[in-house]
Amino acid sequence: EVQLVQSGAEVKKPGESLKIFCEGSGYTFPNYWIGWVRQRPGKGLEWMGIIYPGDSDARYSLSFQGQVTISADTSIRTAYLQWNSLKASDTAIYYCARTGVRMGYFDLWGRGTLVTVSS
Amino acid sequence: DIQMTQSPSTLSASVGDRVTITCRASQSISSWLAWYQQKPGKAPKVLIYQASRLESGVPSRFSGSGSGTEFTLTINSLQPDDFATYYCQQYNTYGTFGQGTKVEIK
Repeated sequence: EVQLVQSGAEVKKPGESLKIFCEGSGYTFPNYWIGWVRQRPGKGLEWMGIIYPGDSDARYSLSFQGQVTISADTSIRTAYLQWNSLKASDTAIYYCARTGVRMGYFDLWGRGTLVTVSS
Repeated sequence: DIQMTQSPSTLSASVGDRVTITCRASQSISSWLAWYQQKPGKAPKVLIYQASRLESGVPSRFSGSGSGTEFTLTINSLQPDDFATYYCQQYNTYGTFGQGTKVEIK
């Protein structure tokens, strides 16, 4: 089955670091871009950034550049979203999603990872 | 970043209605636009890509049109399952979502 499986919910304190993951299966993982999308509680979707696992070429929205790091490990078919120092405003659901061979629209989504940052 | 502006933010409609949602880009994005449907507690699902191409498995009552900076999503004969929030997304330059349109029951 073609799917993206995301890591479980996290509860962290401000200033802590975090790395969440997204594992792809049922398709040629290195050949498809994987993007990350934020959705704050009760709010809309925000495009954060995207990576091509085949060569780890990562691109970021200006709003998220320098705030997060996107990486991938093709040996375990997994993409990552990482923070070095979380803020309360990072509380959100984070979705990973796949595009086609060309960076484009998202045709396959994970179920989302809820990240709660609270003191 | 390219900005995407959707209207309206909320739309009240009845089953059987024809519904239109508009999305405007801050600069030309050719036809590199997708539409998604999201229901509460669920991940978004793509309906339309490349402005007017229907994703496999999506009912034909959904249609998209437009190019350049102005786009529309039309739902013909609204069904109970269609009450949800809809987002446009440009993918001409990286990606940007519109702020969403909630379609609610009148």
